[in-house]
Amino acid sequence: LAKTTQPISMDSYEGQEVNITCSHNNIATNDYITWYQQFPSQGPRFIIQGYKTKVTNEVASLFIPADRKSSTLSLPRVSLSDTAVYYCPLFSNKLTFGGGTRVLVKP
Amino acid sequence: DARVTQTPRHKVTEMGQEVTMRCQPILGHNTVFWYRQTMMQGLELLAYFRNRAPLDDSGMPKDRFSAEMPDATLATLKIQPSEPRDSAVYFCASAREGRETQYFGPGTRLLVL
Repeated sequence: LAKTTQPISMDSYEGQEVNITCSHNNIATNDYITWYQQFPSQGPRFIIQGYKTKVTNEVASLFIPADRKSSTLSLPRVSLSDTAVYYCPLFSNKLTFGGGTRVLVKP
Repeated sequence: DARVTQTPRHKVTEMGQEVTMRCQPILGHNTVFWYRQTMMQGLELLAYFRNRAPLDDSGMPKDRFSAEMPDATLATLKIQPSEPRDSAVYFCASAREGRETQYFGPGTRLLVL
């Protein structure tokens, strides 16, 4: 299984950029890297997906190095509403979301 | 706005009772996932189906849990008999194809006393 590792928690302030790195040393060749966001009492919500290099959408950017053994989710200029748990599950890791990274955005 | 729906949203039951949770995937999605979320274990995959056939249920306790898709618009997760350790939030998610973006339902919050 391609186990993923993420920091347990991160604190930030409004207007700052938040970068969350996920390590996936044994990622499978056919795995896409996908990030989800979860608010309390809700199901996870898709944020962004990529295979390699950089992907950007209206919410975030995803940076993937050439070896694909890690990925970094970048949230630009966070607001209080970005306080949530962020996950990087992999299909080859049985889609294990685990505990994710708890991001707390402070005023 | 297509959404995954789950019923019931909340369920309180006593140990030993049967619990049935239902999920309606987004129309046109052929892959359905069942997850369980607890504070201790986080979000775990229990089982998933593609075109109504079970592909992987290795995360599911076989002795008391069962998952089925009677038709393309309904997925069920049953626990019989239920135990207090089954208390958790159960999420259903669907995807157009197996490895594509998953869309999660609101979850069923289960409490077994």
